[in-house]
Amino acid sequence: KNEVEQSPQNLTAQEGEFITINCSYSVGISALHWLQQHPGGGIVSLFMLSSGKKKHGRLIATINIQEKHSSLHITASHPRDSAVYICAVPNYGGSQGNLIFGKGTKLSVKP
Amino acid sequence: GAGVSQSPSNKVTEKGKDVELRCDPISGHTALYWYRQSLGQGLEFLIYFQGNSAPDKSGLPSDRFSAERTGGSVSTLTIQRTQQEDSAVYLCASTWTSGSYEQYFGPGTRLTVT
Repeated sequence: KNEVEQSPQNLTAQEGEFITINCSYSVGISALHWLQQHPGGGIVSLFMLSSGKKKHGRLIATINIQEKHSSLHITASHPRDSAVYICAVPNYGGSQGNLIFGKGTKLSVKP
Repeated sequence: GAGVSQSPSNKVTEKGKDVELRCDPISGHTALYWYRQSLGQGLEFLIYFQGNSAPDKSGLPSDRFSAERTGGSVSTLTIQRTQQEDSAVYLCASTWTSGSYEQYFGPGTRLTVT
């Protein structure tokens, strides 16, 4: 069974700062998910990645399969980026669709 | 196109009553997942369906919880004899098939048991 650790748990930044959120897991996987949960509770899938790096606007996600580690970066952060960011991996490794989630990183970006 | 929909969006019920929560996945998605997020807690897996069958029910917290899916589409999660600890946001997600595919989440049903 996979275990997921995220850090930091809480993060406060000033507008414009570069943000990094980290995720480590214990069992080899085929893909890792980064999710965003808005203050209203809605969840949006940001990335699913299995190797290397993906970029979408100001968001960048990287993964190192050998080290079982992924990072989510936000460049030029903005108050609208304030949300909880959650990392998720297949519970039993491999490609099993059932996900297990990190506890989330609560990001607050101040103007 | 339409995303994953869930109903009701909010449900307040008295302890001991039964509730049914509904999830309507994206058309064509064969895999459907139920998750729960209790207040201040992370997301936890409940059950998933591939088609109409449920290969993994390991997350259901007790035998008061059950789920079914018919026609490979809509799913209902039923909680019998609700307890206060059942209060949570229940989220549904769907994807093309089980495996490492992007999951699309519904807006959730906020259940409050009084």
